[in-house]
Amino acid sequence: GESVGLHLPTLSVQEGDNSIINCAYSNSASDYFIWYKQESGKGPQFIIDIRSNMDKRQGQRVTVLLNKTVKHLSLQIAATQPGDSAVYFCAEISGGSYIPTFGRGTSLIVHP
Amino acid sequence: GAGVSQSPSNKVTEKGKDVELRCDPISGHTALYWYRQSLGQGLEFLIYFQGNSAPDKSGLPSDRFSAERTGGSVSTLTIQRTQQEDSAVYLCASSLIGDEQYFGPGTRLTVT
Repeated sequence: GESVGLHLPTLSVQEGDNSIINCAYSNSASDYFIWYKQESGKGPQFIIDIRSNMDKRQGQRVTVLLNKTVKHLSLQIAATQPGDSAVYFCAEISGGSYIPTFGRGTSLIVHP
Repeated sequence: GAGVSQSPSNKVTEKGKDVELRCDPISGHTALYWYRQSLGQGLEFLIYFQGNSAPDKSGLPSDRFSAERTGGSVSTLTIQRTQQEDSAVYLCASSLIGDEQYFGPGTRLTVT
């Protein structure tokens, strides 16, 4: 569950399970959304993106869903592996801007 | 090819001293971003460079922070008269305009 202070929201799953990481965005004018993965001691790495004219996009083992009505974004990871353990950030960009606004992040822990 | 590199990887400095952080973007990337990431937090935008245009400095937290980008390539983030609250990981990213950002590994700054 979600906690306060310095602790990130954490999702713990077993290897092989499917994971769903959620993100609520703030700006109804945002039209481009990105998910990043950040492993310990490294910079964020692009996973998948979606534009506001779509509600679903699939990559390799990952799917992003966009619900503009409730301003909600989710990242689904199929058959989660220990190597998926990381902090996952969503980011939103408003039309005409090139500067993303990042969410706080969710820590995914995959138990072997 | 080579990714985004940052130096130093770690910097410990005394309160009140000035520091310079360096970013070498991916060759050919016209856009360059600086972010700050505090422990357990998301990415805080600092400054954005795009080609020869005037940089977007709207994220700089105080006038102690400045950045430049020479020749459209290497960028330096300078923090003057460092304070303890400046302690964080400073991340640089580069991209082609409107495209995904590639992040460097970051510089961990500790102000004692």
